[in-house]
Amino acid sequence: QSALTQPASVSGSPGQSITISCTGTSSDVGGYNYVSWYQQHPGKAPKLMIYDVTNRPSGVSNRFSGSKSGNTASLTISGLQAEDEADYYCSSYTISNTLVFGGGTKLTVL
Amino acid sequence: EVQLVESGGGSVQPGGSLRLSCAASGFTFSNYAMNWVRQAPGKGLEWVSGVSGSGGSTSYADSVKGRVTISRDNSKNTLYLQMNSLRAEDTAVYSCARDRYKTTTKGIDYWGQGTLVTVSS
Repeated sequence: QSALTQPASVSGSPGQSITISCTGTSSDVGGYNYVSWYQQHPGKAPKLMIYDVTNRPSGVSNRFSGSKSGNTASLTISGLQAEDEADYYCSSYTISNTLVFGGGTKLTVL
Repeated sequence: EVQLVESGGGSVQPGGSLRLSCAASGFTFSNYAMNWVRQAPGKGLEWVSGVSGSGGSTSYADSVKGRVTISRDNSKNTLYLQMNSLRAEDTAVYSCARDRYKTTTKGIDYWGQGTLVTVSS
């Protein structure tokens, strides 16, 4: 049950787009369409942003989008805003009937 | 409104035990699988355990397998985590989290605020 691989940090300027990757294996990300993305602000509970690779929960801005290619899933945030600065985590269902998270990515809005 | 409120955290010596509880409200508890997720201070999220909506199917992370037991009481809308043989590396905030599915753990949609467990001599 190795953690999924995410970049430790990404940054972008307001209005720009950024993409955060989440790399796993064929036993998790590549094998199932059960990848989720979460946003966590300091001291707060995580918030679901994307589920089942590409779906946005009601109330989440359409500036957030998800995709997957092979063993790598991606979260794209377009039109960056200051409020997007947070930690982002991916998760995936696994062949062992468990859940695995990525190590997390700190997004800095310059 | 979905609400998940954890309790039972605290300080314990290595080798000790704790039982965490999570009171759920705002949804039909038995229709959802539930999870425990932990976050060590300054670290990332780690999935700990999951249980199906009926309570009949459970799963555990390798890091806790054999030391923790997840259970639920659907009549009380409450989730539990019994933790034994605690180690220093178990120190973390433990959060209760609702899954989007009923039968197995596939993705979390709501989280509680968590309860802090500190393992130290």
